[in-house]
Amino acid sequence: EVQLVESGGGLVQPGRSLRLSCTASGFSFGDHALSWVRRAPGKGLEWVGFIKSNAHGGTTEYAASVKGRFTISRDDSKSIAYLQMNSLKTEDTAVYYCTRDRWKMDVWGQGTTVTVSS
Amino acid sequence: SYVLTQPPSVSVAPGQTARIACGGNNIGSRNVHWYQQKPGQAPVLVVYDDSDRPSGIPERFSGSNSGNTATLTITRVEAGDEADYYCQMWDSSSDHRVFGGGTKLTVL
Repeated sequence: EVQLVESGGGLVQPGRSLRLSCTASGFSFGDHALSWVRRAPGKGLEWVGFIKSNAHGGTTEYAASVKGRFTISRDDSKSIAYLQMNSLKTEDTAVYYCTRDRWKMDVWGQGTTVTVSS
Repeated sequence: SYVLTQPPSVSVAPGQTARIACGGNNIGSRNVHWYQQKPGQAPVLVVYDDSDRPSGIPERFSGSNSGNTATLTITRVEAGDEADYYCQMWDSSSDHRVFGGGTKLTVL
């Protein structure tokens, strides 16, 4: 079964850091780009950023709202992608999803909740 | 950056047809994808590349895209179709992914 499972969410104070993980199974992880998408309370889906496959350079792109604070990386040997979130703000409070990105997002994890609050 | 515009809400009676629009500048020249998200669940891809359906998605879901508007059409609407629907595309100029603001479909 093709699956993505996020972990690492929780309650964190503003200005602190948190790292989310996305563990894949059931498909060739290294062949695919991965995106992170979030949904804040009362808001719609927001694309956060993506990382291309290493065959395509492993490059990353980020939404303006998180650029310079968030970093996406991947470990193909473990089939895991990471979202390192620094300098967190209250407006980063959301459910974070990792997705298999083939320009369309055809596989989604169940999401992990991040709450930024003092 | 590219902007996709959706109506906040659409209401339809059971058995009728729902149409959800997604507006963007010359969106007809882009590939548009649609997602369904029910409360407490992850989004699900229901239409990709304007009009293709992933396996397991009912034929009642279809899409079209021309000019400045892409449209998701749901025929014979059921209570279980009540959800938030999002359009999405790839902005080639920035290599970013873009989501519309989402449309809440209410089944009366």
